[in-house]
Amino acid sequence: AQTVTQSQPEMSVQEAETVTLSCTYDTSESDYYLFWYKQPPSRQMILVIRQEAYKQQNATENRFSVNFQKAAKSFSLKISDSQLGDAAMYFCAYRPENAGNMLTFGGGTRLMVKP
Amino acid sequence: NAGVTQTPKFQVLKTGQSMTLQCAQDMNHEYMSWYRQDPGMGLRLIHYSVGAGITDQGEVPNGYNVSRSTTEDFPLRLLSAAPSQTSVYFCASSYLGQDTEAFFGQGTRLTVV
Repeated sequence: AQTVTQSQPEMSVQEAETVTLSCTYDTSESDYYLFWYKQPPSRQMILVIRQEAYKQQNATENRFSVNFQKAAKSFSLKISDSQLGDAAMYFCAYRPENAGNMLTFGGGTRLMVKP
Repeated sequence: NAGVTQTPKFQVLKTGQSMTLQCAQDMNHEYMSWYRQDPGMGLRLIHYSVGAGITDQGEVPNGYNVSRSTTEDFPLRLLSAAPSQTSVYFCASSYLGQDTEAFFGQGTRLTVV
């Protein structure tokens, strides 16, 4: 069975600075997808960024980027120029290829942004 | 677009009561699933369906039943609620296939007393 581990229960960052959230996973598959989801106090699950395992290039979405290390099974999220609206729970998730939305989630990291 | 709609948003049940959490999507997605989220944990898969008439168990299926009679609806039934089922429940839908994104409902906060 796949497992996803987020070792940082809480992180704090100063507004406008950069923060990196860590995620490691375990799988025997070679093709899969990795995701970062944001969950604000509204509870809504918001997709932040996704990475296909077959792509060597790290995904980027505006201020959000990932460092995907397939051999190390590591998938960290970097948030640049942090904003107050970035404060939320962040979940790393794994999905096998062709598995619809059969996601395995990590335990989450609560990100606090200080003004 | 309505997307994925869950009802109710909040519910309090007494131990032993039954109820159905409703989930509907209007995107013609084949794949639908139910997750629960407990404090300090990520979402865990309860049941999923790859199309009308087809359902299967996820990681934590005990105490829950599902059925999928239409593409649009995927209700989750608690036959005899227990305090251990106090949680936030999320429904999600997506297309099948490789390049697909999961769309989540707003969640249902269920408390069993």
